[in-house]
Amino acid sequence: DTAVSQTPKYLVTQMGNDKSIKCEQNLGHDTMYWYKQDSKKFLKIMFSYNNKELIINETVPNRFSPKSPDKAHLNLHINSLELGDSAVYFCASSQNMGLAGSEQFFGPGTRLTVL
Amino acid sequence: AQSVTQLGSHVSVSEGALVLLRCNYSSSVPPYLFWYVQYPNQGLQLLLKYTTGATLVKGINGFEAEFKKSETSFHLTKPSAHMSDAAEYFCAVSTSGSARQLTFGSGTQLTVLP
Repeated sequence: DTAVSQTPKYLVTQMGNDKSIKCEQNLGHDTMYWYKQDSKKFLKIMFSYNNKELIINETVPNRFSPKSPDKAHLNLHINSLELGDSAVYFCASSQNMGLAGSEQFFGPGTRLTVL
Repeated sequence: AQSVTQLGSHVSVSEGALVLLRCNYSSSVPPYLFWYVQYPNQGLQLLLKYTTGATLVKGINGFEAEFKKSETSFHLTKPSAHMSDAAEYFCAVSTSGSARQLTFGSGTQLTVLP
């Protein structure tokens, strides 16, 4: 059983298109995250939701909109894709952001390529 | 504010040799420290973490790390490298507070030579 799953694994699209990446966790966790990993492997948090409520919203263009229909799902919608959006996007979850030292469990990543 | 510095973006060791990956953190409050490993084309997996208590932390696959407050360090070690240890390693820090945001270092690519 996959703990944190993402679809699709690969996404190739043209500039200007709108795309979505889906994430689901079956761990019963309260908190979910989206990270962006650039070509130099640098990982930066984008968003965090705790029980469907937005907690962290880093400096991310408003073309990126997270949506959490329930606490097991956190989807990422991207409008008007740009070349610089090409990266690997990771979803993660943790038991509860408020618990000290909560481990984050990561999905396998979605490699987005914008042409 | 918190930050993490990983010294050495690339480290090469021979199979059977000691692995030492360096991590220094900056935090104005007591930190929680993590090491994650990323194998090619995969997500991140937790190796070990320090929250409170014993400063020498043992993790999976024979790795361990020691929290040294005076040096603000959390270096990762393994006595004997194996070919399967080749991967990208990330040190991360979080602190108490409403967000408990996890901040990652820039990563260290470990190569194990036969």
